[in-house]
Formats: sequence, structure tokens, C-alpha cells
Amino acid sequence: GAVVSQHPSRVICKSGTSVKIECRSLDFQATTMFWYRQFPKKSLMLMATSNEGSKATYEQGVEKDKFLINHASLTLSTLTVTSAHPEDSSFYICSAQRPGTSGSYEQYFGPGTRLTVT
Amino acid sequence: LAKTTQPISMDSYEGQEVNITCSHNNIATNDYITWYQQFPSQGPRFIIQGYKTKVTNEVASLFIPADRKSSTLSLPRVSLSDTAVYYCLVGGTSGTYKYIFGTGTRLKVLA
Repeated sequence: GAVVSQHPSRVICKSGTSVKIECRSLDFQATTMFWYRQFPKKSLMLMATSNEGSKATYEQGVEKDKFLINHASLTLSTLTVTSAHPEDSSFYICSAQRPGTSGSYEQYFGPGTRLTVT
Repeated sequence: LAKTTQPISMDSYEGQEVNITCSHNNIATNDYITWYQQFPSQGPRFIIQGYKTKVTNEVASLFIPADRKSSTLSLPRVSLSDTAVYYCLVGGTSGTYKYIFGTGTRLKVLA
């Protein structure tokens, strides 16, 4: 199956600092990647769609200046949480899209990054 | 974007077959149905995807009736390690689709 990695897996930062999370598709090229966040015992919430070579598309209510997304290559998208605050503490998950075998598209998810802001 | 509805939780015993049904009344003609499994503090893992009728792979089967307004994920002979949250999602027929996650079904397998 397709492999998507995230780095770091876990990060603790001080309030006011910025944190960058990387998402890589290891064995396929992905023109589209997605970023989600998940709070404990809750479902995944889509934050933004990351398109290679163009600006990301953010979901309603997600601040684009706070969550900077860069999709500079077909295998790498980054999410930078700027001026992080404790309420930004969450589990961040990325996914990468690739064509399936029957005309559909499939999403493969990374292992997630646990961000804790102190 | 089709909305999906699943039971919030289910309990089962080891060795039993588990069927989880998902409703997606507003599914579009070109939408596929995909199921994911998620363990705590991990990203969702792809289980199976289908468009109509029945799809089977090494871990599960997916049953889709003719009207495609629902689907059933079937897990044969579950074990304790199948305890997880299972999500049903629709979409995936173009590069511009996006998944909207519902509540998922929290499956607990008991010894």
C-alpha cells in the first residue's frame, strides 16, 4: 500500500513560537494533500487542501495566516503553526491522494503529529 | 458533499463476524465509498473501497446495494486487535473531492 510519513511524530513548543510539520508521500507522487486536526475522542476535521504549485484551500473557520501550508513538491507538504497557543494543541494528520485502480482517487493518511503548546 | 451516518459504537466478541452499516442518502452518481480504520493516536488506515455490489479483500468485504444509499463493512472473525474506530466516507471520483469525516463507529471487541 501507499506510505505517507509525518515528521515530527510529537512536538512540544512554547506559546508564541512556530512549529513546522512535514508530510511526505514516500512511494507515490501526490498533487493533492490534505491537512486535518483531531481532538481527543473526536472525528477528524479537515483544515485545508494542499495543492502542489498553488495556494492551499482552507476550510471555513481555519485561519490561513495561522496555519501556513506549502506544497513545494509532489511528495512534500508542510504545515506551519505560527505563534502557537495552547488551544492549538491537537493531533494533526495529513493525507496524500493518488489515483486508484478503478478510476477513483484514494487517500492515504500519515501517522499524525501530536502538538502540545505550553 | 455527501453526509454519512453510522452507529456511534458497537460491541462484539472475538471470533464473530461484525457488520457496520453506513447511510449516505445523498451520495452522488460518481462517488465511491471508502472505509478506514483508526487506532488511538494514529492516522486512519485504508481498509476497502467500492462503487457498487460487493468488494472483498484480504481483511474485509464491502456490500453496496443497488441504490447505493448505504453500505456495509463486514469484518470476518474479529480479534481484540480490531478494536478501533471505523469511518465510512464517500467521494473520490475527481481530483477536487475532499472527505468530510462523520462520527465513525467505535468498535470494541471483547474476549
